[in-house]
Amino acid sequence: DAGVIQSPRHEVTEMGQEVTLRCKPISGHNSLFWYRQTMMRGLELLIYFNNNVPIDDSGMPEDRFSAKMPNASFSTLKIQPSEPRDSAVYFCASTTPEGSKTQYFGPGTRLLVL
Amino acid sequence: GDSVTQMEGPVTLSEEAFLTINCTYTATGYPSLFWYVQYPGEGLQLLLKATKADDKGSNKGFEATYRKETTSFHLEKGSVQVSDSAVYFCALSETGNTGKLIFGQGTTLQVKP
Repeated sequence: DAGVIQSPRHEVTEMGQEVTLRCKPISGHNSLFWYRQTMMRGLELLIYFNNNVPIDDSGMPEDRFSAKMPNASFSTLKIQPSEPRDSAVYFCASTTPEGSKTQYFGPGTRLLVL
Repeated sequence: GDSVTQMEGPVTLSEEAFLTINCTYTATGYPSLFWYVQYPGEGLQLLLKATKADDKGSNKGFEATYRKETTSFHLEKGSVQVSDSAVYFCALSETGNTGKLIFGQGTTLQVKP
């Protein structure tokens, strides 16, 4: 089975540009999580969805960040406008809360905002 | 609220040394406990888990025992290899069926030949 798929794997953009990160969870998983990882702040949970519905977005740093999950097999995290301090690795993970509770992580998107 | 505390890193060991990375937790319910590993440039991977008290999770020579009395889930390996160099994260499942995991801050392990 394919694991969690993220795209792009690497993104370099200029300050002020819009950035869209994409995630395809494991088929059958009904919970999806977006994380950000930096050296300074470690691993941070940004937002998570259950059955395509956003449950907790308290980790989203600012209004410049938004996330959607239009269906069970696709989610996006958008940053508009991007800033240099958004440079980080963004991970998506999926799970089934009723089951083992194991989260499966994607390979991440490494974002650099110049 | 629920929380996880890991020992500070980095931890530097010589090959074949014994490894312990301490992890303690605070939880209101009966969480599942996890160790994840992150190799350089990669995402987090599940290393092992335990779902109830006294359970022992094990994988790739690593093991950890769910100790309810001490609220701990320490990671151990009898003989580390250079290839074990990575960041290790302890985590617990949040109380209630949210699927959310609470992660520790991560411990960097460097194994020297």
